[in-house]
Amino acid sequence: AQSVTQPDIHITVSEGASLELRCNYSYGATPYLFWYVQSPGQGLQLLLKYFSGDTLVQGIKGFEAEFKRSQSSFNLRKPSVHWSDAAEYFCAVGPSFSGGYNKLIFGAGTRLAVHP
Amino acid sequence: SQTIHQWPATLVQPVGSPLSLECTVEGTSNPNLYWYRQAAGRGLQLLFYSVGIGQISSEVPQNLSASRPQDRQFILSSKKLLLSDSGFYLCAWSRREGAYQPQHFGDGTRLSIL
Repeated sequence: AQSVTQPDIHITVSEGASLELRCNYSYGATPYLFWYVQSPGQGLQLLLKYFSGDTLVQGIKGFEAEFKRSQSSFNLRKPSVHWSDAAEYFCAVGPSFSGGYNKLIFGAGTRLAVHP
Repeated sequence: SQTIHQWPATLVQPVGSPLSLECTVEGTSNPNLYWYRQAAGRGLQLLFYSVGIGQISSEVPQNLSASRPQDRQFILSSKKLLLSDSGFYLCAWSRREGAYQPQHFGDGTRLSIL
C-alpha cells in the first residue's frame, strides 16, 4: 500500500543552524512528491514538488529537497533556519488512484521549533 | 493568478446545530476540489473530493456532507453537529488537466463544538 512516513514528530533547531526533515514513502511506481508548510492557524502552502528530472529540487523560502529512489526518501533541507520557519511540515506523495480519482497521501507532519 | 477563499475563519457552534462552510476558487476553471479535516496535532484526513458540478465522492462515512452547486464553489455541511466534528477544516483545489497537479489550500476554518 502507498504510504508516507515522517519519522520525526518534533524537531527543534537553533536559528542559523541547518535543517533536514525526513520523509520516506512507499509507492509502486515513480511518485510525484511534495512538501507543504503550515503555519499555526493557517492553511498549507506548497514549498516544492518533484515530478521527474533533476533529483534536487529548489523551492520557495530557501528550501530544497532531494529525491533518492534507492532510499525511497524525499528529505527537505535548508542551510540556515530563520525563526519564521517555525511551523509544521508535511510530505505528500501521489497520485494514489482510488475510486476513479487521483489523490495525495500525506505524512503525519513534523513540527519544527526554532530557538533564538 | 488563482486564489482560494474559505469562510468563516472561525466558528463556534453548539452540539446538534447545522453547519455550512463555504469555499470558492478564483482564476481557474474546472478545478478538482477537496475538503480535509485536521484534528488537533494530527495529519490531514480527506473528507470529500469533487471533479465537477454535482459530482461528490466521500472518503469516509461521517456526519458531514458536501455539495458543489457551481464550478468553483464547494460547500461542507452538516444537519446536526457532533462534538467529534470539532477541528480545522481545509479546502483545496488542483488543476484537472495535464500531468498530476499539486493541491493548493485555503486558510482553513477552525470549528469548535460546545
